Amino acid sequence: SQQGEEDPQALSIQEGENATMNCSYKTSINNLQWYRQNSGRGLVHLILIRSNEREKHSGRLRVTLDTSKKSSSLLITASRAADTASYFCATDNSGGSNYKLTFGKGTLLTVNP
Amino acid sequence: NAGVTQTPKFQVLKTGQSMTLQCAQDMNHNSMYWYRQDPGMGLRLIYYSASEGTTDKGEVPNGYNVSRLNKREFSLRLESAAPSQTSVYFCASRLISIGYEQYFGPGTRLTVT
Repeated sequence: SQQGEEDPQALSIQEGENATMNCSYKTSINNLQWYRQNSGRGLVHLILIRSNEREKHSGRLRVTLDTSKKSSSLLITASRAADTASYFCATDNSGGSNYKLTFGKGTLLTVNP
Repeated sequence: NAGVTQTPKFQVLKTGQSMTLQCAQDMNHNSMYWYRQDPGMGLRLIYYSASEGTTDKGEVPNGYNVSRLNKREFSLRLESAAPSQTSVYFCASRLISIGYEQYFGPGTRLTVT
């Protein structure tokens, strides 16, 4: 079963606005990662936040992690039409011989010009 | 570097036919993965190979077999295709250490009639 669950399932905003997507998970993690998928393409890694970090930035992306609430958020500032894509969180529970990431179902972001 | 490559890009099968999806990576990654993606279901792990010589079942392994041919190549075989296996299949690879992101191939769109 999926570990991460994104919220909302779909989000539609105007260009220039900020977009916030949330991810909740169930078990303890080593790190949490966010990926983007453009229509018809493979997933592309955006950012990784470790379990001992609370916030991380990369360009227009800001990720927060609250391990006490088992949740993360991805903020995209000053959105552009090119940000239109699906966004997935993935949890890394790696330990021992378990080297899997577990993906959520994704948030479909539409940025209208 | 080509990254992760998958062949074929598209395939149409009749029920009961067999086929092998090929995946190769040139990044010297230890771990490789096969996912399927269906609308509204996100990514579901079929099989993975944590290192050369090992394979393990993921969330939805029934109807599939895999072979880790060498460090570079990881193939997925459908022995007797069923309409329920109509999906987009993604291969991914990753360094085996904790905290490294996955790199995805472009996907194979499979239709079983």
